[in-house]
Amino acid sequence: ILNVEQSPQSLHVQEGDSTNFTCSFPSSNFYALHWYRWETAKSPEALFVMTLNGDEKKKGRISATLNTKEGYSYLYIKGSQPEDSATYLCAFRPRDDKIIFGKGTRLHILP
Amino acid sequence: DGGITQSPKYLFRKEGQNVTLSCEQNLNHDAMYWYRQDPGQGLRLIYYSQIVNDFQKGDIAEGYSVSREKKESFPLTVTSAQKNPTAFYLCASRLDRAGNEKLFFGSGTQLSVL
Repeated sequence: ILNVEQSPQSLHVQEGDSTNFTCSFPSSNFYALHWYRWETAKSPEALFVMTLNGDEKKKGRISATLNTKEGYSYLYIKGSQPEDSATYLCAFRPRDDKIIFGKGTRLHILP
Repeated sequence: DGGITQSPKYLFRKEGQNVTLSCEQNLNHDAMYWYRQDPGQGLRLIYYSQIVNDFQKGDIAEGYSVSREKKESFPLTVTSAQKNPTAFYLCASRLDRAGNEKLFFGSGTQLSVL
């Protein structure tokens, strides 16, 4: 079973502060790394899909980096807002079609 | 509107009963997936399918079965062999095209045992 680890499990951040969290995945047989945001009572929505070592992607105040050689990705949120409160999931895709999720980082933005 | 439809939203199973969860997509996506969520466990892969009439086991396939007779449909049957079926089930699909392969999710089915 492929192991995808996310840390921390839960995070409380003051509104306006920046934050980041980590996803670790197997460094062999890599094909892609996905990030999703899952808000309460909604379905998960894709943020980024990254495939190349050194990739950096940005969407508004959210950005992500990828290191496939050492098997980790960081997600950054700049200037946290209440609407950023959600669970952030990363998912590892090896060269077959499996897509394996980590347990997520639950982010709470404090007013 | 294009999307993924899961039904029913809530489902109750009696002991020893098989139940089937529906997943239909009109996005013309190639690959489809079933995940299960338990509290504190994240999404765990049950089965996935890349093309019609073909599917592969995920990490927790025991007690489940699937079929992929049509590109649009990927139903999941929870059999009586699944001893702990109470969970939230999510179906997802994606295009099989490099650079455009993010997953799209349905709204889920909550399965409970009576």
